[in-house]
Amino acid sequence: KAGVTQTPRYLIKTRGQQVTLSCSPISGHRSVSWYQQTPGQGLQFLFEYFSETQRNKGNFPGRFSGRQFSNSRSEMNVSTLELGDSALYLCASSLLTSGGMNEQFFGPGTRLTVL
Amino acid sequence: GQQLNQSPQSMFIQEGEDVSMNCTSSSIFNTWLWYKQDPGEGPVLLIALYKAGELTSNGRLTAQFGTTRKDSFLNISASIPSDVGIYFCAGQPPFYGGSQGNLIFGKGTKLSVKP
Repeated sequence: KAGVTQTPRYLIKTRGQQVTLSCSPISGHRSVSWYQQTPGQGLQFLFEYFSETQRNKGNFPGRFSGRQFSNSRSEMNVSTLELGDSALYLCASSLLTSGGMNEQFFGPGTRLTVL
Repeated sequence: GQQLNQSPQSMFIQEGEDVSMNCTSSSIFNTWLWYKQDPGEGPVLLIALYKAGELTSNGRLTAQFGTTRKDSFLNISASIPSDVGIYFCAGQPPFYGGSQGNLIFGKGTKLSVKP
């Protein structure tokens, strides 16, 4: 089975621009979560999508948004980029069970640099 | 918000030595997960724990879900050079409304191994 894929792997943008990152989950996984990783703050939860619905959201400004498509692929968008948005953005997919098991498998991430 | 305290922050050990790291929280978790991250890559799931008191092994790795549901530890026996990396603990808080996609991460333990 193919793992979680993320595109692009690297991205350089300037302040004020917007960016869209893409994530394809493991086949059969319907839950996709996004995380931001920085040296100072570590891994922080952005949001989770399940069956095209956002079910949970972290403490990030409204400039961060996402969506999920019917094939479970997900995109996240950051508008009006700031220097502090430079980070590794990680996507994780999960095969959620009714018993609550939640093993999240991560993609390689997209390294975003804002100049 | 919930936070995980992971310790130690870094370890510098000799090849062949055993390693122990742990995570504690002020609130309970339903699930504990341990990940390893290599530079430029996403975290890779090592062990998942779902029941208080559960002890699980994966090769030279052993992890336990604390009986209070507020802590977990990871042991690595007979370390080898490829164990080098950053190890993260992650906890899933009790979920409501069906949302299981939010993991809280520790700050990581950076492991260095001297051959």
